[in-house]
Formats: sequence, structure tokens, C-alpha cells
Amino acid sequence: SAVISQKPSRDICQRGTSLTIQCQVDSQVTMMFWYRQQPGQSLTLIATANQGSEATYESGFVIDKFPISRPNLTFSTLTVSNMSPEDSSIYLCSVEDDWDAPGTGELFFGEGSRLTVL
Amino acid sequence: DAKTTQPPSMDCAEGRAANLPCNHSTISGNEYVYWYRQIHSQGPQYIIHGLKNNETNEMASLTITEDRKSSTLILPHATLRDTAVYYCIVRVATFGNQFYFGTGTSLTVIP
Repeated sequence: SAVISQKPSRDICQRGTSLTIQCQVDSQVTMMFWYRQQPGQSLTLIATANQGSEATYESGFVIDKFPISRPNLTFSTLTVSNMSPEDSSIYLCSVEDDWDAPGTGELFFGEGSRLTVL
Repeated sequence: DAKTTQPPSMDCAEGRAANLPCNHSTISGNEYVYWYRQIHSQGPQYIIHGLKNNETNEMASLTITEDRKSSTLILPHATLRDTAVYYCIVRVATFGNQFYFGTGTSLTVIP
């Protein structure tokens, strides 16, 4: 099973600044997903990151606000730009296991990055 | 978009079976039912999935009605560590298809 590491695990940021969250996977994966979980809420999909192509964003999320990089098959970053208090959330990286369970739909998640914007 | 309906919360006595229902009345023929859970402050964890047959693994059992419009996740002997939010998701099992999480059921296992 894929093991996912996210950095930072938590951060406190000032309004108007930007923060980049890193997601490292211990194996090569094709699909990576970024989710947001606001306090007391369920998970909301932000975008799907494929290696070698631009990320695909869900309705309500735009590249200027949440730019994503996917330079290789084990790494991705999500930047939260020009932050406001409404961006205070847990941001989660997840992957679908290409090799051990292709097509079965088992997603693996990182522990998340808890972001607080003051 | 989430296509499932779940009760917002449930309680279960420790050692008893926890039966978590999910309604997915608009499910398509090629959509699977997936269950995940999220223990507080952790990333979601895969539990089980199925298409139309009942499924069982080391964590839980999944029963799907014959018309596939609803399903039940069964934790046969709930423990305090099973206290979590449980999410039921329907999804076409094509590699790379997105998962859309609904509101889930908050299960509290009571000593």
C-alpha cells in the first residue's frame, strides 16, 4: 500500500500570503488528488493532478488560487495563494494505488496539512 | 457530486454489530459502492467496496440490496476504536475516476 507524507503537517499563516504543501509518495502513482476539509465538514475535491499535464480543477476551484505542480510520479505540491481566513482547512493529498490494487478504487491519504490563516 | 444519503450520526454499544445504512437510489449500473472512514484528525481509510454482491473482508461486511439502491456497512463487533465518520461513495470503478465524499455518518461506539 502507498505511504504518503505531507509537509507541513500544520502551519499558521498571515492573510495575503501563500503556502505550498508538499505531498511525497513512496511509490510511483499516476493519479494524485487534492482535497480540502474545512472544520467540521466532509472532504471536498479540489483537483486531480496527473504527471505531465495540467491539473484538472473541480467547480469552485481555480488554478490562480490553488496552483498545483506534478513534476514526477511520486511528488506533487499544492499552493494556497493569497490566503484569507476562509482558507483555514485541512488539505489532504491522496493517491490511487497503481500497482497493488489498480482499478479497485482504494485511495490512500496523507495525514493532511492543517492550515490556519489569521 | 455526492450521490448518497446517510444518517448524520449513530451510536452503537461496544461489542455489538454496527449497521450503517446508505441510500444511493440513483446509482448507475457500472457504479460501485465504496466505504471509507475517517478517525478524528487522520486521513480517510478505505474499508470495503462492492458492485452488487455482498462483500466481506477483515474489517467489515457490505450488503447491497438487490435493486442496488441502498447498502449497509456492517462492523460485526464494534470497538471504541471504530468511533469515526463513515463515508459511503458511489463511483464508476475506472482508474482515475474521482471520489466525491458526502456528509457521512458519525458513529460513536459507547462503552
